[in-house]
Amino acid sequence: DGGITQSPKYLFRKEGQNVTLSCEQNLNHDAMYWYRQDPGQGLRLIYYSQIVNDFQKGDIAEGYSVSREKKESFPLTVTSAQKNPTAFYLCASSLSTGGPYPLHFGNGTRLTVT
Amino acid sequence: AQSVTQLDSHVSVSEGTPVLLRCNYSSSYSPSLFWYVQHPNKGLQLLLKYTSAATLVKGINGFEAEFKKSETSFHLTKPSAHMSDAAEYFCVVTDQTAGGTSYGKLTFGQGTILTVHP
Repeated sequence: DGGITQSPKYLFRKEGQNVTLSCEQNLNHDAMYWYRQDPGQGLRLIYYSQIVNDFQKGDIAEGYSVSREKKESFPLTVTSAQKNPTAFYLCASSLSTGGPYPLHFGNGTRLTVT
Repeated sequence: AQSVTQLDSHVSVSEGTPVLLRCNYSSSYSPSLFWYVQHPNKGLQLLLKYTSAATLVKGINGFEAEFKKSETSFHLTKPSAHMSDAAEYFCVVTDQTAGGTSYGKLTFGQGTILTVHP
């Protein structure tokens, strides 16, 4: 079955360490996204990518970085510069960024930084 | 500019009774709207979408929503709640760009937590 795989499901890190969250899709979608979810705040867009080797900042990109070297993969690095990194991170994909296409989501990674 | 407001942060119903989750939106041009459901510690799943076709949209699991332009609303309903419907629900809007050739980014509502009592 086609879908989006995020790993790991739970991640624990010490403050000051960078950490990379994995996201892989086999839906053959061009567009991929990273969202952050905090209780009562809905979803906030961190980064998105329309094509390989191109990505754009979303609403809360500070302290995060991404790469898109392959169509299927869009890893997110949470750097030590992110002031409040503990959150639920969701990866998504869609046919394209320019149309009214629904997003397909992975099951998320819950990051806890202490 | 686009925005979306989910009017209730929590809704509680009894099993077998109707469900109504309210969503109001604002847009400048021609919006598309979506409802997603999220069960605990899971990703979001698409329930239904409106993209300028029929105003009454039927989705999965017996849910439907009606696009009312005059009221700028897109409320989600279900005739009879089931225990498995307990989850968080998100209303999402995207608006056409000024040239009408594409759509902008998605804007998510804050979510409505639905509780279903036996």
